[in-house]
Amino acid sequence: GAVVSQHPSWVICKSGTSVKIECRSLDFQATTMFWYRQFPKQSLMLMATSNEGSKATYEQGVEKDKFLINHASLTLSTLTVTSAHPEDSSFYICSAVDRAYRTYEQYFGPGTRLTVT
Amino acid sequence: AQKITQTQPGMFVQEKEAVTLDCTYDTSDQSYGLFWYKQPSSGEMIFLIYQGSYDEQNATEGRYSLNFQKARKSANLVISASQLGDSAMYFCAMREKGYSTLTFGKGTMLLVSP
Repeated sequence: GAVVSQHPSWVICKSGTSVKIECRSLDFQATTMFWYRQFPKQSLMLMATSNEGSKATYEQGVEKDKFLINHASLTLSTLTVTSAHPEDSSFYICSAVDRAYRTYEQYFGPGTRLTVT
Repeated sequence: AQKITQTQPGMFVQEKEAVTLDCTYDTSDQSYGLFWYKQPSSGEMIFLIYQGSYDEQNATEGRYSLNFQKARKSANLVISASQLGDSAMYFCAMREKGYSTLTFGKGTMLLVSP
């Protein structure tokens, strides 16, 4: 099956610093990747859609200058949380679509747990 | 209005019994897809089953089956012969208009007891 990796799996950073999270599709090409945020005991909320070679599309209410997304290749998208604050602490999950399949199933990465102190 | 509604915040079931997790959806599209994902405490999202709006038969994947009632706009997940490892959060999701984003429900926490 298609595999998506995320790195790091967890990170602790100080308030005001920036953190970069990588999302990679390991055995397929993903022209589109999605970034979600999930707070404890809540559902996944879509933050942005990342398209290879173009600017990301952000959902309403998501600050694009704070959450920088880069999708420079068909297998890699990065999310950078700039000037992180404690309220940015959350579980960040990426997913990638393998367009070879009819269902356009999204394959999810294992997630990154961010804690801002 | 919510596009995906999961009315059961939590469900309890005994090992080896069957359990149904409810999901209703709202869309005006004729072409859409419905998904169920399992999220254990580790956080990873595990794809379980998919049902396309034009699929005439209910989807099945091993112990998972999807009870698709199009007229009622419901897509309930049935887990047969529950196992302790089935304890997790379960999310119903919908994809509209072909290739696009997923909209998730709020989830149902399933606890399987011995």
